[in-house]
Amino acid sequence: EVQLAESGGGLVQPGWSLRLSCAASGFTFDDYAMHWVRQVPGKGLEWVSGISWDSGTTGYADSVRGRFSISRDDAKNFLYLQMHDLRPEDTALYYCAKDKRSGSAAYYFDYWGQGALVTVSS
Amino acid sequence: EIVLTQSPATLSLSPGERATLSCRASQSVATYSAWYQQKPGQAPRLLFYDASNRATGIPARFSGSGSGTDFTLTISSLEPEDSAVYYCQQRNSWPYTFGQGTKLEIK
Repeated sequence: EVQLAESGGGLVQPGWSLRLSCAASGFTFDDYAMHWVRQVPGKGLEWVSGISWDSGTTGYADSVRGRFSISRDDAKNFLYLQMHDLRPEDTALYYCAKDKRSGSAAYYFDYWGQGALVTVSS
Repeated sequence: EIVLTQSPATLSLSPGERATLSCRASQSVATYSAWYQQKPGQAPRLLFYDASNRATGIPARFSGSGSGTDFTLTISSLEPEDSAVYYCQQRNSWPYTFGQGTKLEIK
């Protein structure tokens, strides 16, 4: 059974940094691209960042590019999102999501964690 | 950026009725679209990808169709558990975007 479990969320002040982690199990982690998708509570979904199966390619939404960094540790089956210079508009539930296709990313998300809440407020 | 506009915003129907949800893209996304279902307090669940390919475990009463700029999610006979918000998504052009969602209420 595929399981994704996010951790590391919390309340931070504007300008602070935070690192989210996602523990993956139940599938061959290093075969798949992985993504972060966020959702402001009660609002819609926004793809934030993705990383290819081999870490060779990373992508970011314009809203976070230059402030967020995605990485993965295939030995530990972990996905990370390092967030710097956090802004109030980054407040959201951050989901870790598995790409549907092994190898080259499809950018469809077939398994999701339960999310880590990040609140940016002074 | 491709904007996905979903309609209606809210849909209220009775069990056994047919639901038709629409997603319109601001420019063609070919068939590179998906549908997700999200119930309160839960993560989204993939229903369809590449417009009409049913994801694993999705009941046959759900169907997806469309291409270009117009996509449809149809639920042929509603069940009470179909109450949720439904989102479309495109992966044809960067940045990959989602629609704003259609809330389906079962009376």
